[in-house]
Order: sequence, then structure tokens, then C-alpha cells
Amino acid sequence: AQSVSQHNHHVILSEAASLELGCNYSYGGTVNLFWYVQYPGQHLQLLLKYFSGDPLVKGIKGFEAEFIKSKFSFNLRKPSVQWSDTAEYFCAVISGTYKYIFGTGTRLKVLA
Amino acid sequence: DTEVTQTPKHLVMGMTNKKSLKCEQHMGHRAMYWYKQKAKKPPELMFVYSYEKLSINESVPSRFSPECPNSSLLNLHLHALQPEDSALYLCASSQATGKSYEQYFGPGTRLTVT
Repeated sequence: AQSVSQHNHHVILSEAASLELGCNYSYGGTVNLFWYVQYPGQHLQLLLKYFSGDPLVKGIKGFEAEFIKSKFSFNLRKPSVQWSDTAEYFCAVISGTYKYIFGTGTRLKVLA
Repeated sequence: DTEVTQTPKHLVMGMTNKKSLKCEQHMGHRAMYWYKQKAKKPPELMFVYSYEKLSINESVPSRFSPECPNSSLLNLHLHALQPEDSALYLCASSQATGKSYEQYFGPGTRLTVT
């Protein structure tokens, strides 16, 4: 069965610092990967997705992620974070057609 | 329009009450989902409807009863809930053509069972 692990549970950064959040998945055939963000009091929003093709995926708000098949990883990056990036970030993989499996999430706090 | 709406935003119910959560989308998506999210935890899949038919039931207790009356609406009927069922209930939708697609989430209904 597919599984997702996020090793960074809490991250605190100052504004303008670079961000990298780890995401590792278990192998299970074709992999479709996602990063979602949940701002305080708001709904889950899709940051970016990987289905196939270029392993470097660019998303909204300056985020990007790199799919490294050999490492079973899909880490999220942003070169310079802003206070408004304070949120919880979830990595997810699809098992089958419909079943999302979410990682445990990473709470990011950006200090102004 | 990429919005999934959910009503009510908040719900407080006793253990003997019957209530329903509603979800609506107008993106033409034919797959709709219910998730449960406890505080500081990731969403957990409960049910999936595909073309208005129940495709996945993640061994959810029968006190939760989903319904998909048409392609735009999804309901979750609640009866005889327990305090541990208090959580944020999220609805989502996606395309459903046999491939995998991103899901669009609603804001959720925060349920408190007293």
C-alpha cells in the first residue's frame, strides 16, 4: 500500500529564508504526487502536482517541487519565504484512481 | 468556478440528534469525496462517489451515511454520533475519467458532538 511520510513536523523560518520540506513516498507503481497548503482557517489548496514529464514542477506562489524517483522523494521548495506562507503543508499521493493518502503535514511558521 | 461549498460551517449536535452536512460543486466533476480531519492531523478519506455511485467506503461506521443525489451534490447524514466524531469534515471533488486528478476541497464543516 502507498504511504507518505513528512519528516519535518514543525519548521520556523525568518522571512527571506529558503524553504525545503521533505516528502517521501512508498513505491507502488505509477506515482501521482501533490502538495497542498492549508492556511489558518482556510481550506486546502493545491500548490502543485506531478503526474509525469519534467520532474521539476512549478506551482503557485513561487513554490516548486522536484520528483526524484530514485529517492522516492517529492520535496517542496521556495527560495524566499514570506510571513504569509505561514500555514500547514501536506504532501499527498494517489493510490489507485481516487484515494488520496496524505502525509502527516508540516506546520510552517514564518517570522516577520 | 473552482469552488466547492459546504454547509453549515459549524454544527453542534447531541449524541441522539440527526443532522446532515451538505456539499456542492459546479465544476462538472463526477467524483466527490468526504474526508474527516482531526486537529493537527491530515485528512482521512471516508467515502468516494464516482458518477453518483459509492466507489469507496473506508470502513466508516454506519452512523455516517453518505448520499449523492446528483452530480453536483453530496450529503453526509449523521445519526447517533459519539464525541470522538468531533472533527472538521471536508468535501472534495475531482474529475473522474479513470485517470488520477487533483482534488478541490471545500472549507469544511466543523462538527462538535456533545
